[in-house]
Amino acid sequence: GQQVMQIPQYQHVQEGEDFTTYCNSSTTLSNIQWYKQRPGGHPVFLIQLVKSGEVKKQKRLTFQFGEAKKNSSLHITATQTTDVGTYFCAGRSGGYQKVTFGTGTKLQVIP
Amino acid sequence: EAQVTQNPRYLITVTGKKLTVTCSQNMNHEYMSWYRQDPGLGLRQIYYSMNVEVTDKGDVPEGYKVSRKEKRNFPLILESPSPNQTSLYFCASSLEGGWDQPQHFGDGTRLSIL
Repeated sequence: GQQVMQIPQYQHVQEGEDFTTYCNSSTTLSNIQWYKQRPGGHPVFLIQLVKSGEVKKQKRLTFQFGEAKKNSSLHITATQTTDVGTYFCAGRSGGYQKVTFGTGTKLQVIP
Repeated sequence: EAQVTQNPRYLITVTGKKLTVTCSQNMNHEYMSWYRQDPGLGLRQIYYSMNVEVTDKGDVPEGYKVSRKEKRNFPLILESPSPNQTSLYFCASSLEGGWDQPQHFGDGTRLSIL
């Protein structure tokens, strides 16, 4: 079945440093979504990417969908303590309605 | 307020004692889904429902049942819980039958099966 891996699993950064998490799928994805889960909270939708090579920005966050639609990345510029949490990608492939989430990257920001 | 409501939030129970986790959404969403979250494994989909009376298996359906008799409700049933079902469970919903919509998550239910 479809597998979606994320790396790294954990990342500790000093406040102000940049952060990137990568999402890799075993199959071609129709689209990909990114979610953020604060400690003790539930996943919250951030963004969706659909087109091959698509790049979207939300303030300090940059999201990218690979040309082959099998990988994606989330880059945070100049991290802040409010960025702390676990970031998940989620994808669907083919005509399936099943959703596969990545394993998540837990970000810790040191003030 | 638009929301997905899960109950209970926490439950400690014993092996074999049937339990139901309720999920209700007030957004008139068609798509609903259950996930379990375990350390290092991310969120894994258990079951999903495209609409009333339409349900299908996700990646880890063994040991779980669901029903979708009404659009707003999507209960998760553990007929004979076992310790390996100890986990954090999330219900989610999204607007239309296709999943190309943001999913809205409940606050989660932490289950401990002894």
